[in-house]
Amino acid sequence: DAGVIQSPRHEVTEMGQEVTLRCKPISGHDYLFWYRQTMMRGLELLIYFNNNVPIDDSGMPEDRFSAKMPNASFSTLKIQPSEPRDSAVYFCASSFRINQPQHFGDGTRLSIL
Amino acid sequence: DAKTTQPTSMDCAEGRAANLPCNHSTISGNEYVYWYRQIHSQGPQYIIHGLKNNETNEMASLIITEDRKSSTLILPHATLRDTAVYYCIVRGGPGQAGTALIFGKGTTLSVSS
Repeated sequence: DAGVIQSPRHEVTEMGQEVTLRCKPISGHDYLFWYRQTMMRGLELLIYFNNNVPIDDSGMPEDRFSAKMPNASFSTLKIQPSEPRDSAVYFCASSFRINQPQHFGDGTRLSIL
Repeated sequence: DAKTTQPTSMDCAEGRAANLPCNHSTISGNEYVYWYRQIHSQGPQYIIHGLKNNETNEMASLIITEDRKSSTLILPHATLRDTAVYYCIVRGGPGQAGTALIFGKGTTLSVSS
């Protein structure tokens, strides 16, 4: 039974470049979440979707960040243009219902030089 | 902001029980207590959740006080692989409308041989 799959696992890029992070949730899960983890701020929710529709994006730091979910099995988080302060580990999670246990991917470690 | 208070760190000898406390004095009647853990370089992993009765699964036991203002996660026979950051989270339960997970600082559990 495949879990949440994120790609790439590691991304190193230069400031100003566009970065796209990808997530495949567990099949049948209606909710998808994007989190960011840094040493300073811990784990923070960025945005979550229900049935492919964004429900709460209040955690998205600024307009440089955008997230989409074109279908039930795929979501992207895009940063354009990227900045060094965006360096963090980005996690995707999915759940069957909003308050059912969330299942997390292994994350994407992003470094912006 | 997190609704829970946990010790910053704890130590446990391998093979002994690890008892991780959590205070949630402002918990409301329909809120559940969830526990997740994060092993280094991995995504958070769901452990257990409960409302007011004690719960047990293959990973751990959850003991909730009668007034529901605190709880304890018990790992009955800790192993080195249980070394992780443990998060106690209060939120609405399965089937209830509610927000996504809000992670605090958690407790860093170090299991040593």
